[in-house]
Amino acid sequence: GESVGLHLPTLSVQEGDNSIINCAYSNSASDYFIWYKQESGKGPQFIIDIRSNMDKRQGQRVTVLLNKTVKHLSLQIAATQPGDSAVYFCAENSQAGYALNFGKGTSLLVTP
Amino acid sequence: DTGVSQDPRHKITKRGQNVTFRCDPISEHNRLYWYRQTLGQGPEFLTYFQNEAQLEKSRLLSDRFSAERPKGSFSTLEIQRTEQGDSAMYLCASSPGFHGYTFGSGTRLTVV
Repeated sequence: GESVGLHLPTLSVQEGDNSIINCAYSNSASDYFIWYKQESGKGPQFIIDIRSNMDKRQGQRVTVLLNKTVKHLSLQIAATQPGDSAVYFCAENSQAGYALNFGKGTSLLVTP
Repeated sequence: DTGVSQDPRHKITKRGQNVTFRCDPISEHNRLYWYRQTLGQGPEFLTYFQNEAQLEKSRLLSDRFSAERPKGSFSTLEIQRTEQGDSAMYLCASSPGFHGYTFGSGTRLTVV
């Protein structure tokens, strides 16, 4: 079936560096993409989203890039902080659906 | 309103027992979703309500799983005759429409 997946299961970065987390999706009908952050014992927390009519969207310290040609999504975190340590998930759905389809997640570890 | 509330946060039950979880969505959100998350995986969609109508339930994991949203506000998820494989985090989310998902902190179920 259609799937959303992540390239790297774990990512370790030094505090202050930039982080890039990648995600591939396979559903051509996907038109809405979301990045979530999940800390241990908590539910997913919305970070940033992007619709398929855009290729870049910026938030506070975060940027999401969407490449529909190769079905690839990335999350860039600037000046990574220890509080950014968590598991990050990309998710997608389409106007025809209501269920978010999640990938397996990337664990981000920020070291001092 | 402080977000999506789930109760209890943790539940330990013996195999074969029934369990029920409650979700209180954000009050102005008419859409409510249940997801299941196992360790190291992304959340997996279970069911969806729009107001009190359950519009999708084919992805509930078995006939032991059922959900209700009787007055279009809070929802309950029941698992009958629990099995060890039911051990997971059960997440509730709500949204005002197609976008704007907000997740609760989840109920962690352990079946012993």
